[in-house]
Amino acid sequence: QSALTQPASVSGSPGQSITISCTGTSSDIGGSNYVSWYQQHPGKAPKLMIYDVSNRPSGVSNRFSGSKSGNTASLTISGLQAEDEADYYCVSYTDTSLYVFGTGTKVTVL
Amino acid sequence: EVQLVESGGGLIQPGGSLRLSCAASGLTFSNYAMSWVRQAPGKGLEWVSSISVSGIIYHADSVKGRFTISRDNPKSTVFLQMSSLRADDTAVYYCAKDRGTWTRSLDHWGQGTLVIVSS
Repeated sequence: QSALTQPASVSGSPGQSITISCTGTSSDIGGSNYVSWYQQHPGKAPKLMIYDVSNRPSGVSNRFSGSKSGNTASLTISGLQAEDEADYYCVSYTDTSLYVFGTGTKVTVL
Repeated sequence: EVQLVESGGGLIQPGGSLRLSCAASGLTFSNYAMSWVRQAPGKGLEWVSSISVSGIIYHADSVKGRFTISRDNPKSTVFLQMSSLRADDTAVYYCAKDRGTWTRSLDHWGQGTLVIVSS
C-alpha cells in the first residue's frame, strides 16, 4: 500500500485560510469514511485534529475542518495562527493495510 | 488524564532483538485498541502494528514475521517485540491509543522511544 500524497509544504499569512490536500485511491480514501488528520510540532508526538473525515475531537479549535471528495481528503485551517505552524499528516484506514499515512505537509505561517 | 509512556528503546546491532513497552494510565486499558507507529529520522509517520481489545493483531507488511504486538490488560501495557532488526527499522516508535474499541483513529500518543539499529 503506497503512502497517500500530500503537498510537501503549504504557507499562509496570519488570519488567512489554507487547505492541505491528501490524495489516495479508491482502495483507501475513496472507499473509506475513516480519514484522520494529525498535527505534529517538531520533536513532539502527533495530535489528532480530525477523525472520520470531518469530526473534531473535543479541545480542537473549530478553525480546523476536514472534508473528502472522491479519492482526495482535505484539511482546512482558517484564521491561521503562528501556533498552527507544524507538520500535518492525513491517514486513511483500510481493511487490508489498516492505517495508511500521507507523506506529510509542512505548514509555514509567514 | 490519559498517559502513555514508552520504554525499551536503544542502540541495537543489525539482526538483534528488542522489546518495547508502553505503560498506559488514566483509562480503562482493556476497552481500547492500541497501536504502534514509527517515524524514521526526518521522515514521515508509518503505521507498524495494532492490537484489538480481543487480542487480534495486525502488522504492516514491512515488519510482518519480525515484529509482534501484544498486550497485558491487568498491567495496562502494550508491547512490541522486534526481532531481526535492520537499519531501516531505526526510528522513534510511538505508542498510540484508539479513540475506542476500534474507531480507526488514534487520540492519545506517547512521547516515543528511539530505536537505533547500527553496528
